[in-house]
Amino acid sequence: GAGVSQSPRYKVAKRGQDVALRCDPISGHVSLFWYQQALGQGPEFLTYFQNEAQLDKSGLPSDRFFAERPEGSVSTLKIQRTQQEDSAVYLCASSLGPVYNSPLHFGNGTRLTVT
Amino acid sequence: AQSVTQLGSHVSVSEGALVLLRCNYSSSVPPYLFWYVQYPNQGLQLLLKYTSAATLVKGINGFEAEFKKSETSFHLTKPSAHMSDAAEYFCAVSEAGTASKLTFGTGTRLQVTL
Repeated sequence: GAGVSQSPRYKVAKRGQDVALRCDPISGHVSLFWYQQALGQGPEFLTYFQNEAQLDKSGLPSDRFFAERPEGSVSTLKIQRTQQEDSAVYLCASSLGPVYNSPLHFGNGTRLTVT
Repeated sequence: AQSVTQLGSHVSVSEGALVLLRCNYSSSVPPYLFWYVQYPNQGLQLLLKYTSAATLVKGINGFEAEFKKSETSFHLTKPSAHMSDAAEYFCAVSEAGTASKLTFGTGTRLQVTL
């Protein structure tokens, strides 16, 4: 595809349910990032992959959050036992190389609402 | 630790007027600085970036920003606003030499009126 694709576009989960959010980066992009954007806030870094290696997961808010990119392409962000504070837009972004040298291409995000 | 502060969550200008969106950064090492724009129901799009070359950076859609180390600022400007510029604008910083994360500000929503 031409851009970063995220699915689903919207997700409603009951508190305590597990969810899985998918990101299809631009083909050939080495770097992949997940961000969380709460209402009225800027995106906050969650985790970073270079190919299949998760090089930075310092932004994951708790051990309920888990991300993977097993073949260095598609990535999944999983949230276990969702809580209301997890409600946010989850953004995926990819780039050819380092962020200072290669522009980040963002998807349209998945809006997660936990009820 | 690095951070950015965007002064003014909402800015309103008349069509044809100057646009000025403010961003101040805090970084213990030389920063790389970015401006992103987010149109309704769309993903973030890079407007321009500063990576230690020229301090005056020109971006897309007629926007530019100037890196001022003495003021720790990277304000975004456009001489003449257009209705299509209405969007949310985010300033972001990363540490020079790092490959990974951007730290974003809280955003400024730009409204353009007739």
